[in-house]
Amino acid sequence: NAGVTQTPKFRVLKTGQSMTLLCAQDMNHEYMYWYRQDPGMGLRLIHYSVGEGTTAKGEVPDGYNVSRLKKQNFLLGLESAAPSQTSVYFCASSYLQTGTVNTEAFFGQGTRLTVV
Amino acid sequence: AQSVTQPDIHITVSEGASLELRCNYSYGATPYLFWYVQSPGQGLQLLLKYFSGDTLVQGIKGFEAEFKRSQSSFNLRKPSVHWSDAAEYFCAVSYSGAGSYQLTFGKGTKLSVIP
Repeated sequence: NAGVTQTPKFRVLKTGQSMTLLCAQDMNHEYMYWYRQDPGMGLRLIHYSVGEGTTAKGEVPDGYNVSRLKKQNFLLGLESAAPSQTSVYFCASSYLQTGTVNTEAFFGQGTRLTVV
Repeated sequence: AQSVTQPDIHITVSEGASLELRCNYSYGATPYLFWYVQSPGQGLQLLLKYFSGDTLVQGIKGFEAEFKRSQSSFNLRKPSVHWSDAAEYFCAVSYSGAGSYQLTFGKGTKLSVIP
């Protein structure tokens, strides 16, 4: 059981370049999230999705776009990378549980992105 | 807006000593509370969670946490720390609403363990 898989694990970009981070989950979860982690800042939500074909903005959405064309995949795009986007990016997924409203999130191993 | 405060940025304890990591949340509704642990270079692993019921919850690796509504707190405890517990710990809160179930994280507490 792979859980949540992020691709790639490491990447170096030049300012202005674009890239897409891929997140795939095999747990049939409805909800998926993209977070960025910066030293001393904890994890901050970039975008999230509550189902296939839906996306919504989180706390720090500027400079990022997302798509959820398939239930199991959640893509994070950087159209024109900036040094301020140097960070570790985490994807997560979660599910509905009968009798409760919310559940835990399962995290991928992260993508370390450096923009030079 | 929901928020989580972890007052301690860095804590150092001796192996075998007890541990308490503090977490306070802000919001009026009933929260759903979580503690995650992150080892260096790794993703986040769930230690325990509180949804409802008994306010003292047990988790993996010998950790427990107590929900205190009157203090808006969800502190993490362990009676005897092992060197392998050295990691960063994150408290998180979530609420239902508008079809979203996003987690809000604290900024983390880094735990160092002295042999």
